[in-house]
This record gives sequence, C-alpha cells and structure tokens, in this order.
Amino acid sequence: AQKVTQAQTEISVVEKEDVTLDCVYETRDTTYYLFWYKQPPSGELVFLIRRNSFDEQNEISGRYSWNFQKSTSSFNFTITASQVVDSAVYFCAFSNSNSGYALNFGKGTSLLVTP
Amino acid sequence: EAQVTQNPRYLITVTGKKLTVTCSQNMNHEYMSWYRQDPGLGLRQIYYSMNVEVTDKGDVPEGYKVSRKEKRNFPLILESPSPNQTSLYFCASSSLVPGTVTEAFFGQGTRLTVV
Repeated sequence: AQKVTQAQTEISVVEKEDVTLDCVYETRDTTYYLFWYKQPPSGELVFLIRRNSFDEQNEISGRYSWNFQKSTSSFNFTITASQVVDSAVYFCAFSNSNSGYALNFGKGTSLLVTP
Repeated sequence: EAQVTQNPRYLITVTGKKLTVTCSQNMNHEYMSWYRQDPGLGLRQIYYSMNVEVTDKGDVPEGYKVSRKEKRNFPLILESPSPNQTSLYFCASSSLVPGTVTEAFFGQGTRLTVV
C-alpha cells in the first residue's frame, strides 16, 4: 500500500524567510503521480503541482519550487521569500491506477508566516 | 468558470435524520469522489465513481451512500447520520486520461455537524 508522510506538523517562519516542506512516500509501484495541494484558512483545496514518477526534473513556479528525488522517495516543496499569504496547510498526495486513482494524502503541514 | 460546486457549505443535523450533500461539476470529468477531512487523520476517500452508474468504495465508506446517475452530479447520502460523521467533506472531480493521472479539482467543502 502507498503511504505519504509529512513529518512536519507545523512550521512557523517570519516573512521573507525560505521554507521547505518535506514529503516522503512509500510505494512498490514504478508508475505513480505526486501532488501538492494548498488549503488556505478559507478551507478550499487548491492544486499546486503534479509530477509523474518518470520525470525527476525540478520545477519552479515563481516563489515555489519542487524537488523530486526518487532515490530518497521524496517530493519536497520550497517557498522562497515567504509571504503572509502563504500561510496555509499544505498537503502532499500520491495517486496511481493501482490505488483506483484515489489521492492518498499526507497529514499535511501547517505553515504560519508572520510579518 | 470550471468548478466543482457542493451544497450546502454548512449543515447541522440530528442523529438519524437522512441528509444529502450535493456535488456538481461542469468540466465533463469522468472521475468523481468524496473525501472527509478530520483533525489528525487528514483526508480520506469515502467513495468514488469512474463514470455514470459506476461507483466503488474508498477507504472509509461505512455509513455513506453515493449515486452517479448523471456525469456531472455525484451526491453523498447519509441515511442515518451519527456524531462520528461530523467532519469536513470535499467532493472532487478529475478527467480520466489513459496512461496518466490528472489533477483533481475540489469543491469548497461542506462542514457537517451531527448532534
């Protein structure tokens, strides 16, 4: 069975600091997809990124970047120069056809960015 | 605008009183699912549907029913709600593309309290 672990329950940083949210997954499958979602205080779930298991290229989108390393089964998320609006709960998730396309979520990391 | 719409957003009900939470998507997605979010437990899939008239259990289906009579709608039915079903519920939809897993779009959530 697949498992996603987000060991950091809560992180607090001061605005403009860089912060990395860790995500480690377990699977025996060779084909799978990893996701990050953001849940702001308003409660909705916002899609951030999708990465398939055959694409280990890092991705950058503005202040957000993702580092996917199959060797360590990790898919970490870095926010550069954090802002108060980045305060949210961030979820890492795993999915593939073997899981019925269900999203297996980690428990989430609550990020608080203070001015 | 592409969206997943859930209703109601908030609901307080009494034990045993049947209720339905509606979910509708306008993206012509084949795959729809329901998740519940609980503190400390994260997000867990309740039921999913890969197409009209095709539904299957997720990780926590007990106490819930679903139906998929139309492609756009996927209601969640609680025939006899109990207090342990107090939770935040999310409906999600995604397209089914052979050979890949696409991102899921989530509704705004329904906060259900059963007293």
